[in-house]
Amino acid sequence: DVKVTQSSRYLVKRTGEKVFLECVQDMDHENMFWYRQDPGLGLRLIYFSYDVKMKEKGDIPEGYSVSREKKERFSLILESASTNQTSMYLCASSLRERYGYTFGSGTRLTVV
Amino acid sequence: AQKVTQAQTEISVVEKEDVTLDCVYETRDTTYYLFWYKQPPSGELVFLIRRNSFDEQNEISGRYSWNFQKSTSSFNFTITASQVVDSAVYFCALSPISNFGNEKLTFGTGTRLTIIP
Repeated sequence: DVKVTQSSRYLVKRTGEKVFLECVQDMDHENMFWYRQDPGLGLRLIYFSYDVKMKEKGDIPEGYSVSREKKERFSLILESASTNQTSMYLCASSLRERYGYTFGSGTRLTVV
Repeated sequence: AQKVTQAQTEISVVEKEDVTLDCVYETRDTTYYLFWYKQPPSGELVFLIRRNSFDEQNEISGRYSWNFQKSTSSFNFTITASQVVDSAVYFCALSPISNFGNEKLTFGTGTRLTIIP
C-alpha cells in the first residue's frame, strides 16, 4: 500500500516562526498536494506539485511556500507563522492519470 | 469554476438505520470524476469511491451505495444498516479529467455522521 507520511502529528509554534511541514510518499507518485482543513470550510488546496522542482499555487497560497527537491518529498513552509494559520494540514499524493489521492494522517498546527 | 456542496453539516442516526449523505456539484467540464472520502477520528482521509461522469450507473459495495444523477448534478451516498464504525466525516469531491492526468480535487465542506449505539 502507498504510504504518505507527515512528519509531525501535532505541532505548536510561535507567531513569526518559520515552520516546515514535511510529507513523504513511498510509491513514486508524480503528484503531491497540500491542503488545509478547517471546520465549516472543508479542504482547501494550498499548493501542488506535478513533478520535481515544479509547483503551482492552489486556492489559498498566501503566507505559504513549498519545496519539492526530490520526487518523494513535498515540504510546506510557513515563512512567518500567524495565528490564522492554526489548522489541520493534510498532504496527499497521486499517480498521474490514476485520479484519487492517498492522504497522510495530517498535522495539527497551532500557532500561539 | 468548480463547486461541491454538502448541505448537511451534521447527521446523527441510531445504529442500524439507513442514512443518505447528499452531494451536489457544479462544473463546466463535460468530463469529470466524482469521489467520496471518509475521515475517521484518526484523521486520515480514506478513499471510498470514484465515478466517471460517463457512467451514471448506481454502485453498491456491501452496505454502501452511491446514486449518481447527472440531470440533478448529484452524487449521493447511502449507508444501509449503519454501524458505529461508520461514524466519521465524509467528503464529496470533484475533479476535471485532464489530458495530463494532473487532477486537482475540489472538496465539499464535509458531513459529520454520528451513529448512536
